[in-house]
Amino acid sequence: DAGVTQSPTHLIKTRGQQVTLRCSPKSGHDTVSWYQQALGQGPQFIFQYYEEEERQRGNFPDRFSGHQFPNYSSELNVNALLLGDSALYLCASSRGGSGNTIYFGEGSWLTVV
Amino acid sequence: KQEVTQIPAALSVPEGENLVLNCSFTDSAIYNLQWFRQDPGKGLTSLLLIQSSQREQTSGRLNASLDKSSGRSTLYIAASQPGDSATYLCAVPGFYYGGSQGNLIFGKGTKLSVKP
Repeated sequence: DAGVTQSPTHLIKTRGQQVTLRCSPKSGHDTVSWYQQALGQGPQFIFQYYEEEERQRGNFPDRFSGHQFPNYSSELNVNALLLGDSALYLCASSRGGSGNTIYFGEGSWLTVV
Repeated sequence: KQEVTQIPAALSVPEGENLVLNCSFTDSAIYNLQWFRQDPGKGLTSLLLIQSSQREQTSGRLNASLDKSSGRSTLYIAASQPGDSATYLCAVPGFYYGGSQGNLIFGKGTKLSVKP
């Protein structure tokens, strides 16, 4: 049983560009959350998707947007990249109503130059 | 606003020592608290989850305790090994929606190094 998978694992972008990160949740999971983790910091919540809708959003600008597809996979899009967007982006999945079981992927390392 | 703090930020110990990592949170109205492990450049692995009604949870050499009234949790690692070297993070839910966990609020973590 594959866990949470994310792609790409590493990427380098230029300031002002746009990036799309992808996540496939663990089998049987329908809820996907995205986190940003800067070096030396704990992960910061970006938003959560359930039933293809954004259910909650953290304190991130509108440049950060997302989508969830009918198969529960998800994308994180970041527009007009800034140097400060350089971070590890983590996807986490869980099953609605299951309580507390949450699984994280290995993350996508984004470097903005 | 919930804030999570972890002390110490870094810890280096010789192999075999027992050690304690600390986590504190400002709002005691939590549903649960989780401890995660993160290896360098990797994702997070859940170690232990303590429900708000529980006082502690154990898994192998790990024991986590929770004192909601004082806003504290500790992770106890017995007989530490070099393979335990990693960053340990604690987190509490920011909200709980329809039985599903919402956003997690993390501390900055404690970076543990266990020397052979």
